[in-house]
Amino acid sequence: ETGVTQSPTHLIKTRGQQVTLRCSSQSGHNTVSWYQQALGQGPQFIFQYYREEENGRGNFPPRFSGLQFPNYSSELNVNALELDDSALYLCASSGGTALKETQYFGPGTRLLVL
Amino acid sequence: GQQLNQSPQSMFIQEGEDVSMNCTSSSIFNTWLWYKQDPGEGPVLLIALYKAGELTSNGRLTAQFGITRKDSFLNISASIPSDVGIYFCAGHGRGDYQLIWGAGTKLIIKP
Repeated sequence: ETGVTQSPTHLIKTRGQQVTLRCSSQSGHNTVSWYQQALGQGPQFIFQYYREEENGRGNFPPRFSGLQFPNYSSELNVNALELDDSALYLCASSGGTALKETQYFGPGTRLLVL
Repeated sequence: GQQLNQSPQSMFIQEGEDVSMNCTSSSIFNTWLWYKQDPGEGPVLLIALYKAGELTSNGRLTAQFGITRKDSFLNISASIPSDVGIYFCAGHGRGDYQLIWGAGTKLIIKP
């Protein structure tokens, strides 16, 4: 059973650009959640996808969008990048949306916006 | 929005010492989770708590879901070098699907 993988591991962009981050969920998992973790902070929930539909969203603007594919892998897209978007972006997969479903995290993509 | 206050922010301890950290909320939480994050890695779940008053152990780790449902603690007994890392509390507020996180407790073991 493979774990959660994310790509790329690191990325540097300039303000105003767009970025796409990718996540492959753990085998058998149909739910992917995305988090933003600023330096020295805990993760902040961006949104969750369940069976290709957005299942919930945190307090992030519409320029943060996502997709989930039939194989349950997922993308996070951020448009019009701002300096404050610099952070570690984590995805987590789980076997469902119930609160008792354990979320398994990938290693993250570190994004730097200059 | 809901927030978790986690303390202490950092701890410097000697190998073999016991460690205690806690998390509080101004509102009721339905779940309390404790994660550990190592450098360059995503968080890993240590202990999950789902019921007020629940006390759960995982090896040298013990965590409790406070009876008021507004707090939780994590204890580590007889710390070892591999315990170094950042520990996060997280939980689901009442009627909330999203996981709310504390700011973390950085554990450093003095040589």
